[in-house]
Amino acid sequence: GENVEQHPSTLSVQEGDSAVIKCTYSDSASNYFPWYKQELGKRPQLIIDIRSNVGEKKDQRIAVTLNKTAKHFSLHITETQPEDSAVYFCAASTGGGNKLTFGTGTQLKVEL
Amino acid sequence: SAVISQKPSRDICQRGTSLTIQCQVDSQVTMMFWYRQQPGQSLTLIATANQGSEATYESGFVIDKFPISRPNLTFSTLTVSNMSPEDSSIYLCSVGSDRGVDTQYFGPGTRLTVL
Repeated sequence: GENVEQHPSTLSVQEGDSAVIKCTYSDSASNYFPWYKQELGKRPQLIIDIRSNVGEKKDQRIAVTLNKTAKHFSLHITETQPEDSAVYFCAASTGGGNKLTFGTGTQLKVEL
Repeated sequence: SAVISQKPSRDICQRGTSLTIQCQVDSQVTMMFWYRQQPGQSLTLIATANQGSEATYESGFVIDKFPISRPNLTFSTLTVSNMSPEDSSIYLCSVGSDRGVDTQYFGPGTRLTVL
């Protein structure tokens, strides 16, 4: 089955800096890659997703890149703010309503 | 996106007992899933709740321990049976979205503590 690895497990940046979180997946049939943000005590919130027919997608300060050949995808957050502090999870799916396999999560801390 | 609610939001239970968690959606959805999130950990899929048929369980999860019902396209229940302290977790339902069949949105979760 699918295996998703995520790095780093913790990331501390200064406010205004950029943050990058990386994930690799094992199943070459995976074609859907969402990212979720989970604040303490809250539900995971979808922040951005990408499909395998696209190499990059941006939404304001957030971007995701996908390298199908290398089977890795990354989340980029620019101009980080304290409210970006949370746990971020990547996930992968073979699509068609199939299950999501999640990475292990990255605790992002944005320091003032 | 759909509005998803779960009941109860939290509970403290004694070992050996069972708890049924409800997931309600304000619109009909095809896909519903149940996840477990142990303290400080990632999300692990327990099963896919299929409307009108038996749930599809992931490796390591069995129907006797986690029976699931899906009587219609807006509602599902997950029961945690014969609980032990190792079952202490957050249990979350998720649903597919009209954004696309692959997109999933999560309910608020049920925080379960087993003593």
